[in-house]
Amino acid sequence: GQQLNQSPQSMFIQEGEDVSMNCTSSSIFNTWLWYKQDPGEGPVLLIALYKAGELTSNGRLTAQFGITRKDSFLNISASIPSDVGIYFCAGFSGNTPLVFGKGTRLSVIA
Amino acid sequence: DTAVSQTPKYLVTQMGNDKSIKCEQNLGHDTMYWYKQDSKKFLKIMFSYNNKELIINETVPNRFSPKSPDKAHLNLHINSLELGDSAVYFCASSQDQQGLSTGELFFGEGSRLTVL
Repeated sequence: GQQLNQSPQSMFIQEGEDVSMNCTSSSIFNTWLWYKQDPGEGPVLLIALYKAGELTSNGRLTAQFGITRKDSFLNISASIPSDVGIYFCAGFSGNTPLVFGKGTRLSVIA
Repeated sequence: DTAVSQTPKYLVTQMGNDKSIKCEQNLGHDTMYWYKQDSKKFLKIMFSYNNKELIINETVPNRFSPKSPDKAHLNLHINSLELGDSAVYFCASSQDQQGLSTGELFFGEGSRLTVL
């Protein structure tokens, strides 16, 4: 089945630093999505990307849909303590279930 | 009002028991899902229902039986619970466009099941 490789698995950064994480797939997707999960909560959608090459921002977050349709990255600029959580990439092709990466656990040191 | 609500939030039970988790969404969405998140935080889809009809049934033991009485509700019943069933179970919903999901899911807060 389809698999997503998400890296890094975890990151420890200082408040104010920029963060980058990425996801690669062995299959092509039509949609890439990035979710964030706070402790004790369900994942929440941050950004959805629908077109190869698309670059989308949401506040301090920027995500790109790779031109090959097999990868995506998420950048967070000027991190703050509330950015702590697990970030999941997800790939979607319309007729198959959403496939999630294994998550990047972000810790921000104040 | 909570968009996707599931109950109970915590469930501790003995092996062999039967338990249910309920989910309701007030977003008017057409599709609802059950996901299982294991101790390593890996999210895996279990079931998907569209307008009360089962459309995705991944490789899940027969002990798990979803039921959708209407498109706003999707319940999960688990028979003969096993230790390996311990996990957080998330309900989610999505709105279809032209009959297809967009992949944009709204998740509930999760139900943490512990089997002793």
